Amino acid sequence: SQTIHQWPATLVQPVGSPLSLECTVEGTSNPNLYWYRQAAGRGLQLLFYSVGIGQISSEVPQNLSASRPQDRQFILSSKKLLLSDSGFYLCAWSVGFTGELFFGEGSRLTVL
Amino acid sequence: GQQLNQSPQSMFIQEGEDVSMNCTSSSIFNTWLWYKQEPGEGPVLLIALYKAGELTSNGRLTAQFGITRKDSFLNISASIPSDVGIYFCAGRGTGANNLFFGTGTRLTVIP
Repeated sequence: SQTIHQWPATLVQPVGSPLSLECTVEGTSNPNLYWYRQAAGRGLQLLFYSVGIGQISSEVPQNLSASRPQDRQFILSSKKLLLSDSGFYLCAWSVGFTGELFFGEGSRLTVL
Repeated sequence: GQQLNQSPQSMFIQEGEDVSMNCTSSSIFNTWLWYKQEPGEGPVLLIALYKAGELTSNGRLTAQFGITRKDSFLNISASIPSDVGIYFCAGRGTGANNLFFGTGTRLTVIP
């Protein structure tokens, strides 16, 4: 069966520090991978998606970046965090663009 | 990106009551989906609908794909405390990654 795991689960970082969130998927090949952000009590905002190794599409201009170094690995990064980067970050995968997404457990980032 | 209008924003109901929420869009969609998110976790897919007029059940949950393809509703019958969470609708249009989420309905079930 397929599984998705992201880490760390919780992160508290000072403004201006770097960020690296990692997501891995097991049990499937060539998945579409996604990073979403959810502000407190709000909906889901798509940040990046990837259809293959090294292929990244950005949905929202910001100081975040994503990379896909391996088929089932998706990384969200920042060189310098802003206060507004605080939120709940969700990785997800899908087979094609059916709309059926399978989300990870989430990573809660607090920037102080 | 496009936002789907989801209502109500929040609901407080007694255990055992039925729940109804809906989602509307100005655009037509090819697929409607409903997700549930429990506190501190990622959303989980509940139901996916692929044809206009389709009515699909998953246990106590029933969802329908509106005939106009611009709306969908989700019903929960005989609510229980573990139904608590945020319910998101999502609509998929044509083209790559054309998926839009609703703003969510926060459900609280009072025992």
